[in-house]
Amino acid sequence: AQSVAQPEDQVNVAEGNPLTVKCTYSVSGNPYLFWYVQYPNRGLQFLLKYITGDNLVKGSYGFEAEFNKSQTSFHLKKPSALVSDSALYFCAVRPTGGGNKLTFGTGTQLKVEL
Amino acid sequence: SAVISQKPSRDICQRGTSLTIQCQVDSQVTMMFWYRQQPGQSLTLIATANQGSEATYESGFVIDKFPISRPNLTFSTLTVSNMSPEDSSIYLCSVDGTSGSRYEQYFGPGTRLTVT
Repeated sequence: AQSVAQPEDQVNVAEGNPLTVKCTYSVSGNPYLFWYVQYPNRGLQFLLKYITGDNLVKGSYGFEAEFNKSQTSFHLKKPSALVSDSALYFCAVRPTGGGNKLTFGTGTQLKVEL
Repeated sequence: SAVISQKPSRDICQRGTSLTIQCQVDSQVTMMFWYRQQPGQSLTLIATANQGSEATYESGFVIDKFPISRPNLTFSTLTVSNMSPEDSSIYLCSVDGTSGSRYEQYFGPGTRLTVT
């Protein structure tokens, strides 16, 4: 069975500083990995994905994530945080071997302060 | 990416009643998915709905409680039946992307349900 762990319920960072939101996964075979963001009273918005190829993937709003197969991690990063980045972030995985089921982590609340 | 709308956006219902949530997509899609997000928790897949066949339910979810319809390639409904306060959640529908975006799923804005 596939699973995702987001070890931090909340991450606080000052505006202008780099941010990292952590994610580790467990899946049989190679994974497809995703990051989504949820703003208050809004649905989920797709940020970025790793399917194959370059381990560093770039997505929307200046976010990027690095796939590390040996550590089974897919941490979300941004070089310079904005207050408007404050939201709930979800990491998700689906197996490459078939099936459409997305398994989500528990989410990490990002708070960017002035 | 697909544009997905849901109705209602929110509702407050009494226990024992049922609510049907509608999901409309602006393009034809093969599969539609229904998720539940309980307060302060992550998303859990309820079922996958293919047009022209019975929905496939995940462990812990049953058709009698969450009947789903999929009458065409752009529309689906999820009914939450005989509701209890434990059903208070956000319900989201989603679809797979197409062409170059076919690996990710796109989500509707959600239906926030409160059961009293």
